[in-house]
Amino acid sequence: DGGITQSPKYLFRKEGQNVTLSCEQNLNHDAMYWYRQDPGQGLRLIYYSQIVNDFQKGDIAEGYSVSREKKESFPLTVTSAQKNPTAFYLCASSTITGGYSTEQFFGPGTRLTVL
Amino acid sequence: AQKVTQAQTEISVVEKEDVTLDCVYETRDTTYYLFWYKQPPSGELVFLIRRNSFDEQNEISGRYSWNFQKSTSSFNFTITASQVVDSAVYFCALSEAGYNFNKFYFGSGTKLNVKP
Repeated sequence: DGGITQSPKYLFRKEGQNVTLSCEQNLNHDAMYWYRQDPGQGLRLIYYSQIVNDFQKGDIAEGYSVSREKKESFPLTVTSAQKNPTAFYLCASSTITGGYSTEQFFGPGTRLTVL
Repeated sequence: AQKVTQAQTEISVVEKEDVTLDCVYETRDTTYYLFWYKQPPSGELVFLIRRNSFDEQNEISGRYSWNFQKSTSSFNFTITASQVVDSAVYFCALSEAGYNFNKFYFGSGTKLNVKP
């Protein structure tokens, strides 16, 4: 089955710790994205990548880092510099056709709680 | 300024009622895409529809229908004969080219409560 997997589903972190959220896709999509969602809010873009070894900051990149060493994988690290990391994190991917991204497909999300 | 505005924060209806979710967008591009997503309580966003800026035909899929009007920059979503399973948060999104290549702009979402 093709799709996007995110792990873990729930993650608890102590203040001052870095944590890495996993995102893997087997859809052969070129572009991948990380979003943050706070309770009752919409999605805010953290980082996105259109091609391996390249990525761009989104609207709220401070305190986060990413890598794109493989087409299938786009891990997100939440660093200790992120002041309020408790949120729901969604990973997505899409193909690029004629210069435009098609619809994004989303993973099941990771709920991060800082204790 | 918001690129995508969903003015209805929350809507409550009784099962079998029809409901329309509003979406207004803003773009200077002549070519762009619009999307609707559903987010059930489990959290995962489910893709519902994509519409490009050159196709203003309304679309119907079962109980769902979409009304795209460029003249008013709106892309509204109607659920006919709503069911409890339709309860979710619905997001409208815009994708445009330019500097923010492939960037999606999501609205803030409309929470739909369908009561039995």
